[in-house]
Amino acid sequence: DVKVTQSSRYLVKRTGEKVFLECVQDMDHENMFWYRQDPGLGLRLIYFSYDVKMKEKGDIPEGYSVSREKKERFSLILESASTNQTSMYLCASIILPGQGNTEAFFGQGTRLTVV
Amino acid sequence: AQKVTQAQTEISVVEKEDVTLDCVYETRDTTYYLFWYKQPPSGELVFLIRRNSFDEQNEISGRYSWNFQKSTSSFNFTITASQVVDSAVYFCARRGNNDMRFGAGTRLTVKP
Repeated sequence: DVKVTQSSRYLVKRTGEKVFLECVQDMDHENMFWYRQDPGLGLRLIYFSYDVKMKEKGDIPEGYSVSREKKERFSLILESASTNQTSMYLCASIILPGQGNTEAFFGQGTRLTVV
Repeated sequence: AQKVTQAQTEISVVEKEDVTLDCVYETRDTTYYLFWYKQPPSGELVFLIRRNSFDEQNEISGRYSWNFQKSTSSFNFTITASQVVDSAVYFCARRGNNDMRFGAGTRLTVKP
């Protein structure tokens, strides 16, 4: 059973804290993604990675950074949490294009509240 | 950014009506993939379909059908004879070489 696991389902953090959201997949996928989901805005791409130590900015990278030290783990870092980063965060992984037909697999999401 | 646009924010229909959800995408990639996902009230994302850019055949799966038109950069989703259980938010997505972007979603409500 394929899995993408996010370390926390719910988190409450204070403004200014450094926050780490962890995501681990067990499918040996090269591609991993971080999204945030807000009502009416859909899933917005924050960062993505296509290999260990390789990362690219998505559409809303400001205030975030990522780390991909191992293939199975992709971490999202909020350098200094702010209230406008209160959101649902979703991690996903997918096989590289051309290596097979498959869909993106999602974690269960982390609902982060910054107070 | 190569956007995915779902112009319909919310749609409400009565059970047994047919409904079409629109999706228009932008891409600079020669090869790309298009997806539809369903997000029911429980919150998990459920994969519905994937389409490769070089395969423009329409697809039917039970009450669901998809119309892919490269000429208009559209990948529309039709539910025939809708049911209350179809109520959910539906997302269209485009996957390029390494990125994967989603539309804002269409909230479908099917009333009994």
